[in-house]
Amino acid sequence: DVKVTQSSRYLVKRTGEKVFLECVQDMDHENMFWYRQDPGLGLRLIYFSYDVKMKEKGDIPEGYSVSREKKERFSLILESASTNQTSMYLCASTLAGGTSTDTQYFGPGTRLTVL
Amino acid sequence: DAKTTQPNSMESNEEEPVHLPCNHSTISGTDYIHWYRQLPSQGPEYVIHGLTSNVNNRMASLAIAEDRKSSTLILHRATLRDAAVYYCILREMDSNYQLIWGAGTKLIIKP
Repeated sequence: DVKVTQSSRYLVKRTGEKVFLECVQDMDHENMFWYRQDPGLGLRLIYFSYDVKMKEKGDIPEGYSVSREKKERFSLILESASTNQTSMYLCASTLAGGTSTDTQYFGPGTRLTVL
Repeated sequence: DAKTTQPNSMESNEEEPVHLPCNHSTISGTDYIHWYRQLPSQGPEYVIHGLTSNVNNRMASLAIAEDRKSSTLILHRATLRDAAVYYCILREMDSNYQLIWGAGTKLIIKP
């Protein structure tokens, strides 16, 4: 089975701190994604990556950056955390690129609270 | 992007079949219908997908209307562990990896 792991289940940070969220997948997937999930707004795509060192902006990239130095690892960075970035962050990966039958495999999520 | 409409919530009794509806009247001929579910305090997980024909797997069945404007996810014998939010998503062919998530249906299973 595909396994997607995230570095923390719960995280509490202060406004202005730099925050790193890490995601690792163990199935050699090319594509990786970062979403945030908020009540009433569903899942919204922040960034995705289709290869090492490649990244594409999703729907809400402002205030975030990403890093993909190795195929199995995709990091989400909050350069200066703000209270409106309090949310559930979900990482996902898929095997192949851009076909309609790809399924996304998700990690358990990181609930980030910014005080 | 074509959109989907689902009821906000549904209730069902344990060990009974559950039919979760999804309307997608603006679906195009090449859109796949995907279903995911999200158990409490977990990330979403894939359930099933289809294009035109009905599909079955170990988790569920997917019944697609002949005009493809609606579909139904069928859980044949719901258990308490099936209580989750179920998302119906249209996936465009070569859609650049993205899934467009709606609000989903919260399924409540009564013992």
